[in-house]
Amino acid sequence: AQSVTQPDIHITVSEGASLELRCNYSYGATPYLFWYVQSPGQGLQLLLKYFSGDTLVQGIKGFEAEFKRSQSSFNLRKPSVHWSDAAEYFCAVGARNKLTFGTGTQLKVEL
Amino acid sequence: GAVVSQHPSRVICKSGTSVKIECRSLDFQATTMFWYRQFPKKSLMLMATSNEGSKATYEQGVEKDKFLINHASLTLSTLTVTSAHPEDSSFYICSAPPRVGGGTYNEQFFGPGTRLTVL
Repeated sequence: AQSVTQPDIHITVSEGASLELRCNYSYGATPYLFWYVQSPGQGLQLLLKYFSGDTLVQGIKGFEAEFKRSQSSFNLRKPSVHWSDAAEYFCAVGARNKLTFGTGTQLKVEL
Repeated sequence: GAVVSQHPSRVICKSGTSVKIECRSLDFQATTMFWYRQFPKKSLMLMATSNEGSKATYEQGVEKDKFLINHASLTLSTLTVTSAHPEDSSFYICSAPPRVGGGTYNEQFFGPGTRLTVL
């Protein structure tokens, strides 16, 4: 079965600083990979996805992620964080017609 | 993009009562929908897969008689929490894949969630 690990439970960055959220997955083949963002009390918003092709994926709100097969990773990055980016971020793996989520990373942005 | 709605967004009920949550695909048809449960500060856990015109498929450890799922049409799935107790309090989220049959269900569109509080 597939699994997802997000090693960082909490991350705090200053506004304007760069951001990288880590995600590692376990699956025998190349899975579908997703990053979602969730604001308090809200549903999930898709930031970006990777199915195949170019391993560097651009998403909404200035986010990007890079798929590295050798490291089984799909880390999320943003060059300059805005205060409105404070939220919970989930990495997810899609395989066998199911989505499996990581435990999430809570992002705090210091002004 | 595809839109999934949920109703109600928030519900408070007394212990022992039943609560129904609706999940609708607004601009596309969904033969399959998924129901997730999210505990505070926790990840989403898949509860069941809702199939239009047939029985739902429940994940291991999910009580079928507690969480009744009905997929009555191509745009509506309902989750009924029967005889709710405080431990059923949670955030329930539904999702639907963007294509009808034959396509991968690995990509899903999510509803905004329903906050259930059982007193």
